[in-house]
Amino acid sequence: DAGVIQSPRHEVTEMGQEVTLRCKPISGHDYLFWYRQTMMRGLELLIYFNNNVPIDDSGMPEDRFSAKMPNASFSTLKIQPSEPRDSAVYFCASSLGRLNQPQHFGDGTRLSIL
Amino acid sequence: DAKTTQPNSMESNEEEPVHLPCNHSTISGTDYIHWYRQLPSQGPEYVIHGLTSNVNNRMASLAIAEDRKSSTLILHRATLRDAAVYYCILRDSETSYDKVIFGPGTSLSVIP
Repeated sequence: DAGVIQSPRHEVTEMGQEVTLRCKPISGHDYLFWYRQTMMRGLELLIYFNNNVPIDDSGMPEDRFSAKMPNASFSTLKIQPSEPRDSAVYFCASSLGRLNQPQHFGDGTRLSIL
Repeated sequence: DAKTTQPNSMESNEEEPVHLPCNHSTISGTDYIHWYRQLPSQGPEYVIHGLTSNVNNRMASLAIAEDRKSSTLILHRATLRDAAVYYCILRDSETSYDKVIFGPGTSLSVIP
């Protein structure tokens, strides 16, 4: 079975450019999560969706960050404009229901803002 | 939210058992204890979870203290592939939505 698929795996771009990260969750999963991981702050939850609806975006750093889930099989995390401090690894995860089902993570997108 | 405390790092020799501790003194009756691990350059992966009783699966065992204020993840025979960061997390089974917060975890080194 295919796991959570993220693209691109690596992204290098200049400060001020728009960045779009993509995620395809596991089919049938109704929760989708976006995390950011840095050496300084560890793994931070940015936002999560339930049945395509954003439930908690309190972890989104600022208005430059936005996330959408137009359908059950696709989500995007957008940064506009990007800044060097946004450099991190961004993970997407999905899970089924809330009965303590595990979260399944993608391999992440390593983002470098120059 | 209830918090967990883990040692920053641990070392183990290859092919020996490893006991990774986690303290969660403020755990509530509805909190499940979950363990994930993160191998280098990969996303976290689920290892095991439990509520009150000890649990075993193909990856590891989870020993939960009788008062539930601590737990131990047991890798029965460490391999080089087990070198990773291990996260102990509490998940409330009665909250409306599934929010998981990761702490710094324990970085496990396995010595050949």
